[in-house]
This record gives sequence, C-alpha cells and structure tokens, in this order.
Amino acid sequence: GENVEQHPSTLSVQEGDSAVIKCTYSDSASNYFPWYKQELGKGPQLIIDIRSNVGEKKDQRIAVTLNKTAKHFSLHITETQPEDSAVYFCAAQEGSYIPTFGRGTSLIVHP
Amino acid sequence: KAGVTQTPRYLIKTRGQQVTLSCSPISGHRSVSWYQQTPGQGLQFLFEYFSETQRNKGNFPGRFSGRQFSNSRSEMNVSTLELGDSALYLCASSPGLGTDTQYFGPGTRLTVL
Repeated sequence: GENVEQHPSTLSVQEGDSAVIKCTYSDSASNYFPWYKQELGKGPQLIIDIRSNVGEKKDQRIAVTLNKTAKHFSLHITETQPEDSAVYFCAAQEGSYIPTFGRGTSLIVHP
Repeated sequence: KAGVTQTPRYLIKTRGQQVTLSCSPISGHRSVSWYQQTPGQGLQFLFEYFSETQRNKGNFPGRFSGRQFSNSRSEMNVSTLELGDSALYLCASSPGLGTDTQYFGPGTRLTVL
C-alpha cells in the first residue's frame, strides 16, 4: 500500500519568514495530493491540492510543487503570519481511493 | 452550503460501554469516510460508505462498525470501549465515486475512562 513520509514534524519560524513542508510517497499510481490545515479543536481543512499532471500550483501565499519522478511534493507558505500556526497534513491518493496521510507538521509562527 | 457536521462534539464514556457517533455530510455528497486521529498514530482510516454500502474498511477490530442511511447521513459505533479508543473521530464527505477531495467535519472527541 501507499506510504507517505512528512518532514519536519515541527517547524518554528518568525513572522514574515517562509515555511516549507516536504512529503514523499511510495505508490507511483497516486495522482492526487491534497494538503490540509488543522487548527486546535477543529477538523482538517483543505487548503490546496495538486494533481499529477501539474508541477506547481499557487494560491496567494501558498504554493505546492510536485516532482513525480522523485515521488515528492512540498507545501510552501510565504510571508507567514501568526494565524498560519497549525498542524499541516499532506496526503497521497489514487483517484477516488482512500487517501494516505502524512503524520503532520506542527507549524509555529512567532510574532 | 453548510459543512460537514458531527454530533456530539465531546463524549466521555467508561470502559466496556458502547458509543454511537453521527455525521451529516455536505448536502449532495454521497460518500462518507471515518477516521480516528490520535497523537501517536495520526489519521487512520476506519471505513468509507457510499450509497448505504461500505466500500472500504481500514484495519480496525470488529468493535468498530458503521452504517449509512438513505439521506447519506452516517453513524459509527464502537462497542466494548477500551482506554485506547480515546481519540478524535473525524468524518469526511465527498461528492461520490470518481471524485477525490474530502471535506472534514470538526470531529467528535471521545474520552474513555
């Protein structure tokens, strides 16, 4: 089955800095890669996703890149703000099959 | 559209009891999945329902069961609760087969004493 590794487990940055979270996956059949943000006391919320026919996708301060050959994808957050502090999860999925999630990255943005 | 709703939000039970959790998907969504989230194990898939049929099942004991109703609402049941069942139980919905994005509810925090 699919295996997703996510690094780092904790990331501490100063407000205004950039943050990068990396994930690798094992199953070359995976073709959909969502990223979720989970704030304390809430469920994960989809923040951005990318499909295997695209190498990069951007939405304001958030971008995701995908390298299918190396089987890794990354989340980039620029100009971080305190409200970006949360746990971020990556996932890899083949079509409508069940996604496999990474273990999560706790992002702390210091004012 | 209203998001995924889960009830109750918090539950405290004792070992040996059973519990039923409820999930209402986003209107029009026909697929519902359940996950268990714990600090040690992360997000673990429990089961998925589509059109009242269980389509996939994760690696959990038979004490964990679920069902889906004709209006797509879903319930999961845990019998003979153990201390290790303490977790956040998340429900996610998606439009249906052949679609991929899942939308999560706020979860039910279950504490087993």
